[in-house]
Amino acid sequence: DADVTQTPRNRITKTGKRIMLECSQTKGHDRMYWYRQDPGLGLQLIYYSFDVKDINKGEISDGYSVSRQAQAKFSLSLESAIPNQTALYFCATSDFASNNEQFFGPGTRLTVL
Amino acid sequence: GNSVTQMEGPVTLSEEAFLTINCTYTATGYPSLFWYVQYPGEGLQLLLKATKADDKGSNKGFEATYRKETTSFHLEKGSVQVSDSAVYFCALGNSGGSNYKLTFGKGTLLTVNP
Repeated sequence: DADVTQTPRNRITKTGKRIMLECSQTKGHDRMYWYRQDPGLGLQLIYYSFDVKDINKGEISDGYSVSRQAQAKFSLSLESAIPNQTALYFCATSDFASNNEQFFGPGTRLTVL
Repeated sequence: GNSVTQMEGPVTLSEEAFLTINCTYTATGYPSLFWYVQYPGEGLQLLLKATKADDKGSNKGFEATYRKETTSFHLEKGSVQVSDSAVYFCALGNSGGSNYKLTFGKGTLLTVNP
Protein backbone atom coordinates (compact mmCIF):
# COMPACT_ATOMS: atom_id res chain seq x y z
CA ASP A 1 0.00 0.00 0.00
CA ALA A 2 1.17 3.48 -0.84
CA ASP A 3 2.32 5.58 2.11
CA VAL A 4 1.12 8.88 0.60
CA THR A 5 -2.08 8.81 -1.43
CA GLN A 6 -3.80 11.53 -3.39
CA THR A 7 -7.35 11.70 -4.69
CA PRO A 8 -8.44 12.19 -7.36
CA ARG A 9 -5.57 11.22 -9.66
CA ASN A 10 -7.05 13.13 -12.57
CA ARG A 11 -9.69 15.84 -12.64
CA ILE A 12 -11.14 18.04 -15.33
CA THR A 13 -13.21 21.00 -14.19
CA LYS A 14 -14.56 24.29 -15.50
CA THR A 15 -13.57 27.86 -14.74
CA GLY A 16 -15.21 29.15 -11.57
CA LYS A 17 -15.84 25.76 -10.00
CA ARG A 18 -14.69 24.89 -6.50
CA ILE A 19 -12.48 21.85 -6.29
CA MET A 20 -10.74 19.98 -3.49
CA LEU A 21 -7.69 17.76 -3.75
CA GLU A 22 -7.08 15.37 -0.90
CA CYS A 23 -3.93 13.86 0.55
CA SER A 24 -3.64 11.11 3.12
CA GLN A 25 -0.54 9.52 4.63
CA THR A 26 0.19 6.48 6.76
CA LYS A 27 3.81 7.39 7.52
CA GLY A 28 2.99 9.09 10.81
CA HIS A 29 4.77 12.24 9.69
CA ASP A 30 3.84 15.57 11.23
CA ARG A 31 4.80 17.76 8.27
CA MET A 32 2.80 17.92 5.05
CA TYR A 33 3.22 19.98 1.89
CA TRP A 34 1.39 20.87 -1.31
CA TYR A 35 3.39 21.57 -4.47
CA ARG A 36 2.48 22.53 -7.98
CA GLN A 37 4.50 21.31 -10.97
CA ASP A 38 4.46 23.10 -14.30
CA PRO A 39 6.63 22.09 -17.28
CA GLY A 40 10.01 23.85 -17.12
CA LEU A 41 9.31 25.43 -13.73
CA GLY A 42 10.09 22.61 -11.35
CA LEU A 43 8.06 22.38 -8.16
CA GLN A 44 6.64 25.41 -6.42
CA LEU A 45 5.44 25.26 -2.83
CA ILE A 46 1.81 26.28 -2.33
CA TYR A 47 1.23 25.62 1.40
CA TYR A 48 2.85 23.63 4.16
CA SER A 49 1.86 22.47 7.61
CA PHE A 50 4.19 21.40 10.40
CA ASP A 51 1.38 20.09 12.59
CA VAL A 52 -2.40 20.19 12.79
CA LYS A 53 -2.44 23.72 14.22
CA ASP A 54 0.30 25.13 12.00
CA ILE A 55 -0.46 26.26 8.42
CA ASN A 56 1.92 28.37 6.36
CA LYS A 57 1.81 29.98 2.94
CA GLY A 58 4.37 28.95 0.39
CA GLU A 59 5.63 30.75 -2.70
CA ILE A 60 2.37 30.68 -4.69
CA SER A 61 -0.56 30.52 -2.26
CA ASP A 62 -2.85 33.03 -4.00
CA GLY A 63 -6.02 31.35 -5.25
CA TYR A 64 -5.54 28.32 -2.99
CA SER A 65 -6.52 27.37 0.54
CA VAL A 66 -5.76 24.33 2.69
CA SER A 67 -7.17 22.40 5.59
CA ARG A 68 -5.28 20.06 7.93
CA GLN A 69 -8.11 17.89 9.21
CA ALA A 70 -5.86 15.50 11.11
CA GLN A 71 -2.21 14.60 11.28
CA ALA A 72 -2.73 12.23 8.37
CA LYS A 73 -4.88 14.42 6.11
CA PHE A 74 -4.11 17.65 4.28
CA SER A 75 -6.51 19.02 1.66
CA LEU A 76 -5.93 21.68 -0.99
CA SER A 77 -8.86 23.73 -2.29
CA LEU A 78 -9.29 25.95 -5.29
CA GLU A 79 -12.26 28.18 -4.40
CA SER A 80 -12.83 29.38 -7.96
CA ALA A 81 -10.67 27.51 -10.45
CA ILE A 82 -9.06 29.34 -13.37
CA PRO A 83 -7.30 27.91 -16.45
CA ASN A 84 -3.80 28.89 -15.32
CA GLN A 85 -4.23 26.56 -12.34
CA THR A 86 -4.02 23.66 -14.77
CA ALA A 87 -1.01 21.71 -13.49
CA LEU A 88 0.22 18.60 -11.73
CA TYR A 89 -0.22 18.82 -7.96
CA PHE A 90 1.84 16.85 -5.47
CA CYS A 91 1.45 16.26 -1.77
CA ALA A 92 4.51 15.41 0.30
CA THR A 93 5.29 14.52 3.91
CA SER A 94 8.32 14.63 6.17
CA ASP A 95 9.33 14.59 9.79
CA PHE A 96 12.36 15.49 11.82
CA ALA A 97 13.42 11.86 12.23
CA SER A 98 13.63 11.39 8.44
CA ASN A 99 16.27 14.13 8.31
CA ASN A 100 13.66 16.16 6.49
CA GLU A 101 13.62 13.94 3.41
CA GLN A 102 10.25 14.46 1.77
CA PHE A 103 8.06 11.61 0.56
CA PHE A 104 5.78 12.36 -2.36
CA GLY A 105 2.37 11.14 -3.42
CA PRO A 106 1.68 10.07 -7.02
CA GLY A 107 0.21 13.42 -8.02
CA THR A 108 -3.12 14.80 -9.22
CA ARG A 109 -3.39 16.07 -12.77
CA LEU A 110 -5.84 18.97 -12.78
CA THR A 111 -7.21 20.56 -15.94
CA VAL A 112 -9.31 23.72 -15.74
CA LEU A 113 -11.22 24.48 -18.92
CA GLY B 1 17.04 33.62 -0.22
CA ASN B 2 17.65 30.06 -1.28
CA SER B 3 17.90 29.09 -4.92
CA VAL B 4 18.93 26.10 -7.02
CA THR B 5 20.15 26.26 -10.60
CA GLN B 6 20.45 23.06 -12.56
CA MET B 7 21.45 22.20 -16.06
CA GLU B 8 18.68 22.71 -18.57
CA GLY B 9 17.59 19.77 -20.59
CA PRO B 10 16.61 17.80 -22.29
CA VAL B 11 19.62 15.52 -22.17
CA THR B 12 19.71 12.59 -24.59
CA LEU B 13 22.33 9.85 -24.22
CA SER B 14 23.02 6.41 -25.56
CA GLU B 15 23.01 3.45 -23.22
CA GLU B 16 26.30 3.05 -21.28
CA ALA B 17 27.25 6.71 -21.77
CA PHE B 18 28.53 8.86 -18.89
CA LEU B 19 26.06 11.24 -17.31
CA THR B 20 26.62 14.57 -15.58
CA ILE B 21 23.81 16.91 -14.55
CA ASN B 22 25.12 20.12 -13.04
CA CYS B 23 23.56 21.72 -9.98
CA THR B 24 24.65 24.84 -8.11
CA TYR B 25 22.97 26.51 -5.19
CA THR B 26 22.71 29.71 -3.18
CA ALA B 27 21.88 29.43 0.50
CA THR B 28 22.64 30.77 3.92
CA GLY B 29 24.02 28.54 6.60
CA TYR B 30 24.63 24.86 6.05
CA PRO B 31 21.92 23.34 3.85
CA SER B 32 21.30 19.70 3.04
CA LEU B 33 21.30 18.79 -0.64
CA PHE B 34 19.16 16.25 -2.46
CA TRP B 35 18.61 14.71 -5.86
CA TYR B 36 15.08 13.51 -6.58
CA VAL B 37 14.00 11.47 -9.61
CA GLN B 38 10.58 11.44 -11.26
CA TYR B 39 9.81 8.50 -13.53
CA PRO B 40 7.06 8.96 -16.14
CA GLY B 41 3.62 9.16 -14.54
CA GLU B 42 4.94 8.97 -10.99
CA GLY B 43 5.69 11.26 -8.07
CA LEU B 44 9.17 12.28 -7.00
CA GLN B 45 11.34 9.89 -5.06
CA LEU B 46 14.60 10.56 -3.31
CA LEU B 47 17.63 9.36 -5.26
CA LEU B 48 20.43 10.49 -2.94
CA LYS B 49 21.34 13.14 -0.41
CA ALA B 50 24.23 14.79 1.41
CA THR B 51 23.93 16.70 4.65
CA LYS B 52 27.31 18.39 5.02
CA ALA B 53 30.28 19.59 3.01
CA ASP B 54 32.39 16.88 1.30
CA ASP B 55 29.72 14.23 1.87
CA LYS B 56 29.09 11.98 -1.10
CA GLY B 57 25.60 10.65 -1.67
CA SER B 58 25.20 7.52 -3.78
CA ASN B 59 22.43 5.21 -4.92
CA LYS B 60 21.71 2.97 -7.94
CA GLY B 61 25.07 3.86 -9.49
CA PHE B 62 24.46 7.61 -9.18
CA GLU B 63 26.77 9.82 -7.12
CA ALA B 64 26.93 13.46 -6.07
CA THR B 65 29.44 15.25 -3.82
CA TYR B 66 28.54 18.27 -1.69
CA ARG B 67 31.12 20.93 -2.63
CA LYS B 68 30.83 23.95 -0.39
CA GLU B 69 33.71 25.82 -2.06
CA THR B 70 31.96 25.75 -5.43
CA THR B 71 28.39 25.58 -4.02
CA SER B 72 27.71 22.59 -6.24
CA PHE B 73 26.12 19.14 -6.08
CA HIS B 74 26.55 17.65 -9.55
CA LEU B 75 24.90 14.31 -10.32
CA GLU B 76 26.99 11.66 -12.11
CA LYS B 77 26.60 8.11 -13.33
CA GLY B 78 29.26 6.17 -15.16
CA SER B 79 27.03 4.08 -17.40
CA VAL B 80 23.38 5.00 -17.90
CA GLN B 81 20.62 2.55 -18.78
CA VAL B 82 17.35 3.00 -20.63
CA SER B 83 15.57 2.60 -17.30
CA ASP B 84 17.29 5.79 -16.04
CA SER B 85 15.14 7.88 -18.37
CA ALA B 86 13.34 10.32 -16.07
CA VAL B 87 13.28 13.89 -14.83
CA TYR B 88 15.94 14.69 -12.22
CA PHE B 89 15.53 17.47 -9.66
CA CYS B 90 18.22 19.00 -7.51
CA ALA B 91 16.90 20.37 -4.21
CA LEU B 92 18.16 22.27 -1.20
CA GLY B 93 16.85 22.04 2.34
CA ASN B 94 17.62 24.74 4.82
CA SER B 95 16.47 25.17 8.37
CA GLY B 96 15.44 28.55 9.62
CA GLY B 97 14.14 28.42 13.13
CA SER B 98 11.52 25.70 13.15
CA ASN B 99 11.01 25.81 9.41
CA TYR B 100 12.37 23.30 7.03
CA LYS B 101 11.41 23.57 3.39
CA LEU B 102 12.88 22.28 0.16
CA THR B 103 13.78 24.54 -2.75
CA PHE B 104 13.81 22.70 -6.08
CA GLY B 105 15.59 23.33 -9.34
CA LYS B 106 13.54 23.30 -12.53
CA GLY B 107 14.34 19.69 -13.39
CA THR B 108 16.36 18.04 -16.16
CA LEU B 109 14.75 15.54 -18.49
CA LEU B 110 17.06 12.63 -19.31
CA THR B 111 16.32 10.27 -22.18
CA VAL B 112 18.52 7.22 -22.66
CA ASN B 113 18.31 5.45 -26.00
CA PRO B 114 19.20 1.77 -26.52
